[in-house]
Amino acid sequence: GAGVSQSPRYKVAKRGQDVALRCDPISGHVSLFWYQQALGQGPEFLTYFQNEAQLDKSGLPSDRFFAERPEGSVSTLKIQRTQQEDSAVYLCASSPWERIEQYFGPGTRLTVT
Amino acid sequence: AQKITQTQPGMFVQEKEAVTLDCTYDTSDPSYGLFWYKQPSSGEMIFLIYQGSYDQQNATEGRYSLNFQKARKSANLVISASQLGDSAMYFCAMREGNSNSGYALNFGKGTSLLVTP
Repeated sequence: GAGVSQSPRYKVAKRGQDVALRCDPISGHVSLFWYQQALGQGPEFLTYFQNEAQLDKSGLPSDRFFAERPEGSVSTLKIQRTQQEDSAVYLCASSPWERIEQYFGPGTRLTVT
Repeated sequence: AQKITQTQPGMFVQEKEAVTLDCTYDTSDPSYGLFWYKQPSSGEMIFLIYQGSYDQQNATEGRYSLNFQKARKSANLVISASQLGDSAMYFCAMREGNSNSGYALNFGKGTSLLVTP
């Protein structure tokens, strides 16, 4: 079956540009997570959705980061006025409510120049 | 404070040998879960194995087993009969039971495993 997909796989942005990263979770998965993975580090939690409700955004590093999941399926992570420190791989994961493991997408590698 | 500590930045193992990847964790929550994920160079995170804090027996999944020592707060991953395809980054992660973030995972910094012929 189809896994979690993310697009684009690679994104190069000039400093100050806005970017939008898309995540298509596995169909029917209630939970959706965004993580940021800097080079050589483990992923760090950004935000969590249960269906369309954003229940936790405590990991978002600044108010330039915004995430939405309006219909409870596809999610978009938007970064406004990108900075060099935003360069990282952004991972999306989904999970059915009754299971504990999270299924990750391939990630979007964002490079801010 | 770091909740997950992986002290081995890199490990080598010969094909067909067993290898242990170390993980220690820090939590005051009695209910938690421990995970291991594999990240090949292609980037996707692949779930390997899960251990719940109340599980009496160590988890096993094929060639993977988790050596869970609750009193020592360690959750080491053992890979038996290593294969060349096991070469990857390995991440230990924890989910705490009283989190209000729907069980977001806290990851360690990872261990790079290289399997040699």
